[in-house]
Amino acid sequence: KQEVTQIPAALSVPEGENLVLNCSFTDSAIYNLQWFRQDPGKGLTSLLLIQSSQREQTSGRLNASLDKSSGRSTLYIAASQPGDSATYLCAVDSGTYKYIFGTGTRLKVLA
Amino acid sequence: DAGVIQSPRHEVTEMGQEVTLRCKPISGHDYLFWYRQTMMRGLELLIYFNNNVPIDDSGMPEDRFSAKMPNASFSTLKIQPSEPRDSAVYFCASSWSGTGNEQYFGPGTRLTVT
Repeated sequence: KQEVTQIPAALSVPEGENLVLNCSFTDSAIYNLQWFRQDPGKGLTSLLLIQSSQREQTSGRLNASLDKSSGRSTLYIAASQPGDSATYLCAVDSGTYKYIFGTGTRLKVLA
Repeated sequence: DAGVIQSPRHEVTEMGQEVTLRCKPISGHDYLFWYRQTMMRGLELLIYFNNNVPIDDSGMPEDRFSAKMPNASFSTLKIQPSEPRDSAVYFCASSWSGTGNEQYFGPGTRLTVT
């Protein structure tokens, strides 16, 4: 059974720092992995999708990498801003179109 | 496109009442998903549809929950009768198989059962 873990659960950094959020999964046979952000009281916003044949995806200041063999994905945020404060979730699809979500990392970027 | 649309945004009801949540997916998407989010359990997939057909409802907690998708642009999640433990945020999401199941979420319905 696929399990998805995100560490740390919470992170507080000063503005301008580069940071890395981690997502680990137990079954390496995945179809894709998607990163989302969720603002308080809001829905999930898609950030990046990495398919199993890809190693990384980039969008603006965000870069997500995927290492299936080690069961890890990282989300790199460059030059963090207070507007990046949110909860970041990763979700893994093992090929059944059913996403298993991690518990999220709550990020706070201090001005 | 307006994105995934859900209604109502907030619902407060008394235990034992019937609750119906509604979702309009993004036009052209062929998959639709219903999720529930709570502090204790995080995000859980309840059921998903492909081309309006239910594919997997193993996440539906019990027979009090039912979901339908009568056409490509509309789905409902019904709880009858509702119980206080059903209080949660319910999200609808949709995706297109041509983009590898990149899911787009609606704003959610916050359900409170008293």
